Amino acid sequence: DGGITQSPKYLFRKEGQNVTLSCEQNLNHDAMYWYRQDPGQGLRLIYYSQIVNDFQKGDIAEGYSVSREKKESFPLTVTSAQKNPTAFYLCASSKGPAGLAGGYLSSYNEQFFGPGTRLTVL
Amino acid sequence: GENVEQHPSTLSVQEGDSAVIKCTYSDSASNYFPWYKQELGKGPQLIIDIRSNVGEKKDQRIAVTLNKTAKHFSLHITETQPEDSAVYFCAAFMFSGGYNKLIFGAGTRLAVHP
Repeated sequence: DGGITQSPKYLFRKEGQNVTLSCEQNLNHDAMYWYRQDPGQGLRLIYYSQIVNDFQKGDIAEGYSVSREKKESFPLTVTSAQKNPTAFYLCASSKGPAGLAGGYLSSYNEQFFGPGTRLTVL
Repeated sequence: GENVEQHPSTLSVQEGDSAVIKCTYSDSASNYFPWYKQELGKGPQLIIDIRSNVGEKKDQRIAVTLNKTAKHFSLHITETQPEDSAVYFCAAFMFSGGYNKLIFGAGTRLAVHP
């Protein structure tokens, strides 16, 4: 799991409640990502941040929010607006921003994942 | 939209046999293709990757091949062992939805039987 930690490992939430998932990295990576994983599907990008104080929506951002106040931290809040929040959530980081000029600087593209948080809505 | 297709979804082999997982991608401009192994309840671990300027890369018992013309790449595991049992994901780095990102295949569940 490298230098990425996620907490908690398991999380239970009642319907209508917001919940925040923690992600911390000590790899000195600029870019961080949040993915959602559902059974039988690939990872889907929720939000990503290329640098501190900046973040962008991914493919399935509705019902989620993030912040990036510190380089090492990228918390994800699952709001009550997320219709089907039960899933396995994965945080990742990479050395540099996705899409660095040239594209062949792929060391910047290597993403390292945390151990994940399994969220269950009761 | 841009996507990555991965086959098969499940694969069962005997210990010592080889396993092959195949992926195709849609964006001809993609230039980076990682493979991840995910064990139960854990995050994916990068096991090997390949850049578009090479056709093959090996690391001990695993190898990846890339055919840019056909837009497909494959993971080969030789002399499989029970500890190879896991879900394997391929991914392709491409421009989609207005930004560059990794797009993942749906995964292959590999079971290696002793």
